Amino acid sequence: EAQVTQNPRYLITVTGKKLTVTCSQNMNHEYMSWYRQDPGLGLRQIYYSMNVEVTDKGDVPEGYKVSRKEKRNFPLILESPSPNQTSLYFCASSSPVVAGNEQFFGPGTRLTVL
Amino acid sequence: DQQVKQNSPSLSVQEGRISILNCDYTNSMFDYFLWYKKYPAEGPTFLISISSIKDKNEDGRFTVFLNKSAKHLSLHIVPSQPGDSAVYFCAASVLGGAQKLVFGQGTRLTINP
Repeated sequence: EAQVTQNPRYLITVTGKKLTVTCSQNMNHEYMSWYRQDPGLGLRQIYYSMNVEVTDKGDVPEGYKVSRKEKRNFPLILESPSPNQTSLYFCASSSPVVAGNEQFFGPGTRLTVL
Repeated sequence: DQQVKQNSPSLSVQEGRISILNCDYTNSMFDYFLWYKKYPAEGPTFLISISSIKDKNEDGRFTVFLNKSAKHLSLHIVPSQPGDSAVYFCAASVLGGAQKLVFGQGTRLTINP
């Protein structure tokens, strides 16, 4: 089954404790992205990657890091989480052969930073 | 600066009637528009899209209309069904861009039996 998986699905942590949210896709997509969803703001792009070892900032990159060492994986790293990073996070993937930037989303990770 | 806006946070429609969800955008460089549907505890799923060279695209019960001069698009669902109850996000992109989607705030659609 073609899918994007994220782990963990739920996470409660404390300020300053480094964490990583994993994302993996099995569709051989070149492009991957991270979004956060906040009430009243919709989904905002954090980082994106156009291929292995190619990453770039989205609209709200502050406080986040990413890496793309393999095509299928795109982890999101919070080196020192803060309460304003409490949010619902989505990973997405897509391929340039699919017109219009249709992206496939993972199920989401709900993060709470105390 | 919200480049894509969905000004109605919620919409309630009776089953069998038409649901109309609206979306406005400000960036004239956008040339591809998408609608995503999101159920609780799931990721958004692609619903329908439209290129700026068209003004209408249909897929079954779903039709998207684009008015470029007004920078406005709408999603029509007819007839509305209880399973359509979800949050709908409008998104815009520049074809050939770096896979960057700009989303609206979302509209929660509730279909009443």
